[in-house]
Formats: sequence, structure tokens, C-alpha cells
Amino acid sequence: GALVYQYPRRTICKSGTSMRMECQAVGFQATSVAWYRQSPQKTFELIALSTVNSAIKYEQNFTQEKFPISHPNLSFSSMTVLNAYLEDRGLYLCGAGQAPLFGEGTRLSVL
Amino acid sequence: AQSVTQPDARVTVSEGASLQLRCKYSYSGTPYLFWYVQYPRQGLQLLLKYYSGDPVVQGVNGFEAEFIKSNSSFHLRKASVHWSDSAVYFCAVSITGNTGKLIFGLGTTLQVQP
Repeated sequence: GALVYQYPRRTICKSGTSMRMECQAVGFQATSVAWYRQSPQKTFELIALSTVNSAIKYEQNFTQEKFPISHPNLSFSSMTVLNAYLEDRGLYLCGAGQAPLFGEGTRLSVL
Repeated sequence: AQSVTQPDARVTVSEGASLQLRCKYSYSGTPYLFWYVQYPRQGLQLLLKYYSGDPVVQGVNGFEAEFIKSNSSFHLRKASVHWSDSAVYFCAVSITGNTGKLIFGLGTTLQVQP
């Protein structure tokens, strides 16, 4: 069946450092990948939508300079959180496909 | 602006009882509607989706939802809940057609009491 894997599941980084998270689609072609963040006590905010062969579109309050995304093929995407601070903590989910399937997420803690 | 409203932050029901979780959306175009469930410390799992056609859609684990255009609603229902249904349920709308870009509601926490 179709699945989405995200790794790492959990990560801790020091304030001001960066961390990279990855998203793998298995069993289907992920022509579009959307990255979301669920901050504590909040719902899911869209960070950006990446469609293969198109420019990555970032939502308001999120920038490529802070959250660079790579989507090199139909099965893989990665996102980096640069210069992470406390407000960046939360659960980061990637949703792949048109009726998005989500991975288990990467939970980011910042010390 | 497009939005999704889940008016009930928390719903508590007894095991075996019927369930309805409410969802209303605000979008002038043709909505693509979704319900997802988040179990503790996990990601999102797709329960069901509506694109077009029969307004009552069936999902996994006995869940169904009904799209009522006149009411801008997409309520989730289940005839008989089980304790394992305890989780947070999110309603979402795709505002750009079939692209995977979703707007989520704030979620409804369902607690099923034994």
C-alpha cells in the first residue's frame, strides 16, 4: 500500500542550530508534497507546497531562507529548519499526494 | 478568507454510543473535504475524503461523513464508538483543488468512556 515515512521521528537541537528532516513516499508518486507544522496546542499550519517541476510556494510567515525544501524526485522531499529557536518547536508533518497521506512526523524540540 | 470551523473542542461519549463531530467550512469554490485522525504522539491518518458525487462518503473503521452544500458542513459520524476511537479529529478543506494544500480546523478531541 501507499505509505509516507518521515525521519527522524524525534530530534532535539540547540537554539541557533539547524536540523534536516526527510520525507519518503512509498508505493505511489508524490507529485506534490506539503510541509506542515503543528505547534503546541495549535492546529496544522502549512509551511510550503512543493510540486515537482514547479517552484516551491511558501505561505505567509514562512520563508525559503528559514525552511529550505528540496523535492528532487517523486518519492523524496526534505526540509531544513535553519537557525532554530524555541518558537520553531513542534511536530512537522509532510503530506504527500493529492489526497495527502501523512507521515508520523518529526517532533522538534529546541533547547 | 477560507476557513474551517470545528465548534466542539472536546466531545465525550460512552462506548457504544453514536457520534457526530461537527465541521463547517468557508469557501466560495468547490471544496475538497477531508477528515483526519491523530492518535496520541502520532501523525495524521486519513479517515475519508469528499471530492464530488454521493454526498455521504464512507471511511475507515465505520466512519462516514455527509457533505451538505447548503449548510457548508461536512460532519463526521459513527454509529457505535469504541474506546480505541479516542483521539483528536481534524476536518480539512483543500482550497486549490486537488493539490494537497489543506486548511485545517482546530480539531476535536474525542474521549470515549468505557
